[in-house]
Amino acid sequence: EPEVTQTPSHQVTQMGQEVILRCVPISNHLYFYWYRQILGQKVEFLVSFYNNEISEKSEIFDDQFSVERPDGSNFTLKIRSTKLEDSAMYFCASRETAYNEQFFGPGTRLTVL
Amino acid sequence: AQTVTQSQPEMSVQEAETVTLSCTYDTSESDYYLFWYKQPPSRQMILVIRQEAYKQQNATENRFSVNFQKAAKSFSLKISDSQLGDAAMYFCAYCPPGNQFYFGTGTSLTVIP
Repeated sequence: EPEVTQTPSHQVTQMGQEVILRCVPISNHLYFYWYRQILGQKVEFLVSFYNNEISEKSEIFDDQFSVERPDGSNFTLKIRSTKLEDSAMYFCASRETAYNEQFFGPGTRLTVL
Repeated sequence: AQTVTQSQPEMSVQEAETVTLSCTYDTSESDYYLFWYKQPPSRQMILVIRQEAYKQQNATENRFSVNFQKAAKSFSLKISDSQLGDAAMYFCAYCPPGNQFYFGTGTSLTVIP
């Protein structure tokens, strides 16, 4: 069964460093999402991406964040200069159409020291 | 504003018994989707059950069923014959078509042997 994959599973970085979180959505899906979950809190929407552009973003998704679909299969989230409060689980999700459920990847745990 | 409320931060149930997790949501949309996700300690998001708002019949998946009350904007999850493996965080989520997911704050379910 096709699934969303994410790498790495755990990333540890120093404050101020850039990180790139990678996702491979399900191949025939057209809508892509990043969510964040700070430990002990609910899952929060960051950004949605469709037709090679951002379709919606939350107030969390500031200038430090960017997304890209560099090669037609990967979907990346870049954090330019990480802060301590960026420590969280980051989930990628994809959906085939606007009317299906989103399939979530296993998440990347980001720890900023 | 789209909000999802889970009023029970923690619930417990005896093994083999039945438990109901509550969820309410606020929306002005008439067409949308509702989901329950399970998040075990691994923090992966696992889809438990989904409900389309236009369907009057309550969704069921084996031991999991929902009580969907559209007028009351209520979407509770019933777990029958609870098993030790059901212990996890459970998140209710609301999704209008083509849009992001809105998650509740979660209910931590403990299953007592």
